[in-house]
Amino acid sequence: SQKIEQNSEALNIQEGKTATLTCNYTNYSPAYLQWYRQDPGRGPVFLLLIRENEKEKRKERLKVTFDTTLKQSLFHITASQPADSATYLCALGLDTGRRALTFGSGTRLQVQP
Amino acid sequence: DAMVIQNPRYQVTQFGKPVTLSCSQTLNHNVMYWYQQKSSQAPKLLFHYYDKDFNNEADTPDNFQSRRPNTSFCFLDIRSPGLGDAAMYLCATSRDLASRVLSQYFGPGTRLLVL
Repeated sequence: SQKIEQNSEALNIQEGKTATLTCNYTNYSPAYLQWYRQDPGRGPVFLLLIRENEKEKRKERLKVTFDTTLKQSLFHITASQPADSATYLCALGLDTGRRALTFGSGTRLQVQP
Repeated sequence: DAMVIQNPRYQVTQFGKPVTLSCSQTLNHNVMYWYQQKSSQAPKLLFHYYDKDFNNEADTPDNFQSRRPNTSFCFLDIRSPGLGDAAMYLCATSRDLASRVLSQYFGPGTRLLVL
């Protein structure tokens, strides 16, 4: 069956360090992958989208990689800040047929000052 | 500011009493989605509208229905809420261009409590 796996355990890092979050998937051939940020009691907020033919995408302090051979995406936040503390969700999608995204359960990031 | 609005933010209902959650958007997006999210779990898609076309997920219980009277509004009806339906309900929109799905914009969610 199709599965998206994100670390269920919280990631605790020190302010200023780089946070790296992992998204692995099985039995899925996504055309693109998206990362969202979700704060407690709020809806997810879109951060980045990367397509299957792209290796890496950057936006300010954020970087996403996509390895379709390993079936894995890595999400990096450089120079992390306490305000980056949140849950980060990855979501996979197809360009044709099913339009909806399939979300992972997210990894909670806690940045300590 | 263009946005997705959900009302109410918190809803308390009784076991078996029908409840309706509402969503409106000012983004003029053609696709609207309803997700159910339980604590520490992934948002689970219930159904979505592509323009007026309704797309139900195979595992969405019949207890959940939806209406989209126009582009801006979408409603989630739970006909007979059970205790297991207590969750955060998220509405989202996206602009679908020739089957290329772009990012989704989420509302703040409605937290449903079933007594």
